[in-house]
Amino acid sequence: EIVLTQSPGTLSLSPGERATLSCRASQIVRSSYLAWYQQKPGQAPRLLIFGASSRATGVPDRFSGSGSGTDFTLTISRLEPEDSAVFYCQQYGDSPFTFGQGTRLEI
Amino acid sequence: EVQLVQSGAEVKKPGESLKISCKGSGYSLATSWIGWVRQMPGKGLEWMGIIYPSDSDTRYSPSFQGQVTISADKSTYTAYLQWSSLKASDTAIYYCARPIPAAPYHWYFDLWGRGTLVIVSS
Repeated sequence: EIVLTQSPGTLSLSPGERATLSCRASQIVRSSYLAWYQQKPGQAPRLLIFGASSRATGVPDRFSGSGSGTDFTLTISRLEPEDSAVFYCQQYGDSPFTFGQGTRLEI
Repeated sequence: EVQLVQSGAEVKKPGESLKISCKGSGYSLATSWIGWVRQMPGKGLEWMGIIYPSDSDTRYSPSFQGQVTISADKSTYTAYLQWSSLKASDTAIYYCARPIPAAPYHWYFDLWGRGTLVIVSS
């Protein structure tokens, strides 16, 4: 089973700053099958990024994904207060399709 | 509107059985899978399994194989998650989600239901 480790656990930043969230896999993620989700309190997760770098429909271009192999990054430029949430990465290259433990972003 | 509609919250006692549901609407259900994800209180997301309602092809995460049963009604394209004997540790929010295949049998989730809260307590 591929273990995804996200860092940092919590990130506190100010509006307008840039956030960099990391997701490291215990094995190579096949074909960059890596997604990112945002979950706000009391809400279901929302897909942000798939295929490591493709934005989902309706996701602002402030959100971008990069990486390959075992190291992936979600970058949020020009932070806004509504970006406060927990962010999860998920690999879907090898079953079971695992999630990281999450990074809490506080604005 | 494209959405997944889940059944309402449940409060059960240990040892009881339970079946919760998820129905998609607003998109082509005949060629779509439905997946289940668990979120225990204050914790992260866990991929449980996935089913293709048209033929009930089902894939489980090893962590959940034998612990739950995923099933579907082909006539209504509704997916179900059921327990035969609940434990307190089954207390969680259970989300259904629409998987998108990046390739055969490699899915990410692009649409989520609002979740079903299951509380198991004596």
